[in-house]
Amino acid sequence: AQSVTQPDIHITVSEGASLELRCNYSYGATPYLFWYVQSPGQGLQLLLKYFSGDTLVQGIKGFEAEFKRSQSSFNLRKPSVHWSDAAEYFCAVSPGNEKLTFGTGTRLTIIP
Amino acid sequence: GAVVSQHPSRVICKSGTSVKIECRSLDFQATTMFWYRQFPKKSLMLMATSNEGSKATYEQGVEKDKFLINHASLTLSTLTVTSAHPEDSSFYICSAGARAGVDTQYFGPGTRLTVL
Repeated sequence: AQSVTQPDIHITVSEGASLELRCNYSYGATPYLFWYVQSPGQGLQLLLKYFSGDTLVQGIKGFEAEFKRSQSSFNLRKPSVHWSDAAEYFCAVSPGNEKLTFGTGTRLTIIP
Repeated sequence: GAVVSQHPSRVICKSGTSVKIECRSLDFQATTMFWYRQFPKKSLMLMATSNEGSKATYEQGVEKDKFLINHASLTLSTLTVTSAHPEDSSFYICSAGARAGVDTQYFGPGTRLTVL
């Protein structure tokens, strides 16, 4: 069965600084990969997804993620965070675009 | 983007009672809906997949007689927690999509269930 690991439970970043959230997955082949953001009172919002092709994926809100097959990783990055980026971030995998398996999430705090 | 709503946003009930949670797609027809459960500081766990007009497909370990799912129309799915107990207290989230494939799913804001 597939699994997703987000090793960082909580990350604090200064506003304007760069951000990288880590995600590692375990699966026999390359699954579909996703990053979602969850803000209080809001549903999970899809930031970006990777199915195939270019391993650097651009998403909404200035986020990008890079798929590295050799490391089974799909880390999320943003060059300069804004206070509004404070939220919970979830990495997820789907072997055949049928069901999502989520990581435990990383809570992002932004300090002025 | 597409909007998915859930009602109620939070509910408190007594142990032994049943609670119904609604998931609606407001501006599209949802052929597929998913129900998840989120524990504090934990990830979302898929409970079941629901296709309109069909019986829900439950994940291993999820009691189908306890968590009744009905997808009676293309815009509404309901989750009924029957004979609720304190351990059923959780955050329940639905997602809906106009077609198969999780990449096209839109998530509802969730329902906080507290069983006393």
